Formats: sequence, C-alpha cells, structure tokens
Amino acid sequence: QVQLQESGPGLVKPSETLSLTCNVSGVSITNYYWNWIRQPPGKGLEWIASMSYRGSTSYNPSLKSRVSISIDTSKNQFSLRLTLVTAADRAVYYCAGDKTGYNFFDYWGQGALVTVSS
Amino acid sequence: SYELTQPPSVSVSPGQTARISCSGDKLGNKYVSWYQQKSGQSPVMVIYKDDLRPSGIPKRFSGSNSGNTATLTISGTQPVDEADYYCQAWDNSVVFGGGTKLTVL
Repeated sequence: QVQLQESGPGLVKPSETLSLTCNVSGVSITNYYWNWIRQPPGKGLEWIASMSYRGSTSYNPSLKSRVSISIDTSKNQFSLRLTLVTAADRAVYYCAGDKTGYNFFDYWGQGALVTVSS
Repeated sequence: SYELTQPPSVSVSPGQTARISCSGDKLGNKYVSWYQQKSGQSPVMVIYKDDLRPSGIPKRFSGSNSGNTATLTISGTQPVDEADYYCQAWDNSVVFGGGTKLTVL
C-alpha cells in the first residue's frame, strides 16, 4: 500500500524559505513521478512542481523562480523548497505520486498546513 | 496560460444523475482526470485518461471528454458523493479547474 506523508515546519516567516519533505512508503521512489500541490484554505488546487527520480523536473511557471524540488533515493523521500514566501503562500501543501508519468495523481499525502507569519 | 472552467456548484437529489462539466480550449485533445475531495480530506482520483476508473472507485462514476468539454457523471448519486470535484489536464503545465461543490439533497 503506497503511503505519502508530508513533514516540515507549520510556520514560516515572510521572506524566508518554506521547506517540506514527503516520505514515501510502499513503493520505491525510483518507480513513479513525484509532485507537490497546494491548496489555500477554502480555495482550489494549484500544482507546484514535478520530478522523476532520474532528475527531470517540471515547474508551475508562476512559481518557477522560487521553487526547487529534489529526491533522496536513499531515504525514499522527496522535498520542496519555496523561497521568499509571503502570506499568499499560506496553504495546505500536498505531496502526490503519479504512477504513469501522464500527470495524473494516483496517491496523495494527508497534507501539511503552512502559515506565513512573523 | 491554459484555463479549465467548472461550475461553482451542482445540486442533485439522491439517486439521480449528477453531471459536472469542465471546459477548456480543445480540451478533447488532452487527457482529463477528476478528483473528489471531501471536507477536510485529501483529494482522491476518481477518473483518469478521460474515462478510466482507478481500482476501488465505484462504477457509478464515469467520464467523457470531447470538443471543449469534459464531463464527470455520477449515476445514482449517493449522499456520500457530496464533495468538491476538480478536473485536471496538462498543457505545458498541470492545470486544475476551479472546483465544483456537489450537494446531494
């Protein structure tokens, strides 16, 4: 059974960097494509970035300048960094797995709420 | 940038058929997936590649995609189907629709 679990600080100061990690269990991280998706409270879903274990990445153009995503195969986890955060980055951040590479999201973590405040 | 448009809300009586639309330019040329998100929970994929159901998704969920519109159909809608539904496609980037709140009353 594939499970994803986000972890990281729930509070980040404005202009600082948001860092989250997604621990993957039940499947090797070398098998699928891995994504970050966020959802501001009460609003819709916004895709952030995607990465395969081979290193190919894809980013939402509106966030590309502030986002980086990486994979640690030794720990079977992948990570998100979002720099220069503002209040607009307050959201539930989900990690998600794509089995096929067709940009469908078969597996989702439970989500991690990140608040931006001083 | 590419946009997907969904109605904000759809209401249906139990046992009836609910249809949720998703429109976008030449959407029929792209693969569409649909996600169900119940209150306080993570999204769950209910349809992928326009009309395929993942394992474990009830047969009452079906999808279609042609022209500029994709449609999620829930036949014999049940109260447990009340949720937000999002369509999603890819156009040089992953794009989600704004979501539709399905009310079963």
